[in-house]
Order: sequence, then C-alpha cells, then structure tokens
Amino acid sequence: EVQLVESGGGLVQPGRSLKLSCAASGFTFSNYGMAWVCQAPTKGLEWVASISTGGGNTYYRDSVKGRFTISRDNAKNTLYLQMDSLRSEDTATYYCARHADGTYGFDYWGQGVMVTVSS
Amino acid sequence: DIVMTQTPSSQAVSAGEKVTMSCKSSQSLLYSENKKNYLAWYQQKPGQSPKLLISWASTRESGVPDRFIGSGSGTDFTLTISSVQAEDLAVYYCEQYYDTPLTFGSGTKLEIK
Repeated sequence: EVQLVESGGGLVQPGRSLKLSCAASGFTFSNYGMAWVCQAPTKGLEWVASISTGGGNTYYRDSVKGRFTISRDNAKNTLYLQMDSLRSEDTATYYCARHADGTYGFDYWGQGVMVTVSS
Repeated sequence: DIVMTQTPSSQAVSAGEKVTMSCKSSQSLLYSENKKNYLAWYQQKPGQSPKLLISWASTRESGVPDRFIGSGSGTDFTLTISSVQAEDLAVYYCEQYYDTPLTFGSGTKLEIK
C-alpha cells in the first residue's frame, strides 16, 4: 500500500524557516517524480514544486522560487521542502504527492501538514 | 500560465441524478505528438486529501466507479457523474499537466440535496 506521511509543520514567524519531510513507503520511491501541493484554508489546490526521480531536475511556482527548495533522499525514501523567508501568504496545508507514472498528475497524496506563518 | 476555469462553483443535486461540471483551459491541453489531453480530475471529500479520479481527460483510475466519466478535448472538458450517490459529496478539481506551472481550477463543490 502506497503511503506518504508528512511531518515538520507548525507555527512559524514571518521571515523564518521551516523544513517539511514526507516519508514514502509501499512503492519504489526512486522511480517516481514527487511534488508538494498546498491548500490555503478554505481555498483551492496550488502546486508548489516538483522534483524528478533522481533529484536532478526541480520545478517551482514563481511565488516560491528562491525561497523554497525541494529535495529528496532516495536512500531514505524521503521528500523534503525547505521553506525559507516565509510569508503570511504561505499559510496552508502542504501535501506531499506522487506524480503518476508518465504524467504530472498526482496519483497518491499524503494526509497533509499545516504550516501557519504568523507573528 | 495556463488558467483553468471551472463552472459552476457549486451545485446541489439529488441522489440518483446526473450531474455535469465544466473545466476550461486558457490554452489547448492536447499534445499533437501523442494526441493526449494533459488533464486530470480530482475529488476532495471534506477533511480528506484529494483523490485522483481521471487522467488524460478520460481515463478512469483503477477502483473509481464507472459513474464518473471524463470527456472533452483541447480546451473544454467535462466531468459527468451519471447517477450521484451521497458519498460523492466533495469538491472536484481539474488540473492541467501540459506545462509548468501545473495549475488547478478553483473547484466545483457538489452538494447533495
């Protein structure tokens, strides 16, 4: 059974940093592109970043470029999102998601982790 | 960026009824080399993570009931639920994966009368 379990969320002040982790199991992690998708309270879904199978290619939405870094450790079956210079508008639930084979759709999602940026 | 527009924003139907919802993209999602539309549909039930229902505009994921039907091509797409069940209460999102940034529609909230 595919499982994606996020951790690392919480309350953080504007301008500070936070690092999210996503532990993957039930599939060969290194064979799949991975992503982070966020959802602000009562809002819709917003893609944040994606990473290729080996980690050599990364993609970001414009609003997080230069502030967020997606990475992965295939030996540990773990996906990360380093979030720096956080802003109030980054407040959201962050989902770890697996890219479906051969597409940039998302076929499995974690349960999500809440990040609140507030003073 | 490719803008995804979903309509209606919400609709209420009775169990057993047929419902359709629309998703329009600001540019074509049809890739000429493979004739595939780079569009997915997701269902997000209250308090849950999204679930992939349909990819390539019309390919139902394994285990998804056949009452969920995706159709359309180019810039106009439709998700049809042929006979709504109470458990279909959810927000439905479309997503384009033709190009980055990957973008979602704002969702259609389905309510059961």
